[in-house]
Amino acid sequence: DSGVTQTPKHLITATGQRVTLRCSPRSGDLSVYWYQQSLDQGLQFLIQYYNGEERAKGNILERFSAQQFPDLHSELNLSSLELGDSALYFCASSVAGGPETQYFGPGTRLLVL
Amino acid sequence: GENVEQHPSTLSVQEGDSAVIKCTYSDSASNYFPWYKQELGKRPQLIIDIRSNVGEKKDQRIAVTLNKTAKHFSLHITETQPEDSAVYFCASNTGNQFYFGTGTSLTVIP
Repeated sequence: DSGVTQTPKHLITATGQRVTLRCSPRSGDLSVYWYQQSLDQGLQFLIQYYNGEERAKGNILERFSAQQFPDLHSELNLSSLELGDSALYFCASSVAGGPETQYFGPGTRLLVL
Repeated sequence: GENVEQHPSTLSVQEGDSAVIKCTYSDSASNYFPWYKQELGKRPQLIIDIRSNVGEKKDQRIAVTLNKTAKHFSLHITETQPEDSAVYFCASNTGNQFYFGTGTSLTVIP
C-alpha cells in the first residue's frame, strides 16, 4: 500500500457523459500527478499540481480538467467522454514535485460504452 | 520536449538468467531516472532509481546504470525468478515532469 488512495476503483459510463476521479496523496506529500494508461500502453502524463497550483501540463485534452484542493486532494474531471477515453487513470504523489520518488495510487479503471 | 525510448518491448528469459532493459532519453537536463514494475492490473511500483550524478546503483538482484554522455540507462536483473514477470517502465524527470518509456513485458520461464 503506497498511501495514495483513489476513488472510485471502477467506473462504467456512456459516451458524452462526465465523470470525476478523486485522489488523496500520501500524508505530507504536496504534489499530485495524473496519468492515463490505455490498454497495452505506457503511462501518459496528464497534469501535475503542487500545493494547490498547476505546475506542469502534459498531453491533457481540453475536455479534461483537474484541480487540487486546500486539503491537497485532487480531482480529475473528464467530460464529453468518448470510447477512446477508456483507460486506467493513475494518480501519484510526491513530497515536493521534483526529481524524487513518486508513489502511485491503485488507479481508477474507466470504461466508456 | 523529452523523448524516452525503451527496448525491448517484450523479453523472455529462463529462470536464473539475467535480463537487461535499455532506455534512451533526449533531454540532457534530465536528472532523475526511476524504474517501475507493474504487475497486471496493479499500480506501478518503484524498484530502483538513479540520479544524474551517479553512474551505477545496485539493490540486491537489481542494478541500474546510467551513461549521461550517451543519454542512456539500463536496468539489469540477475538470477531472475518467476515473480519478476511483469511490465517494467523506465522514466526520466526533467522540468518537474516525468516521461515514461513504453514498457517492457518480461516473462521469466520456470
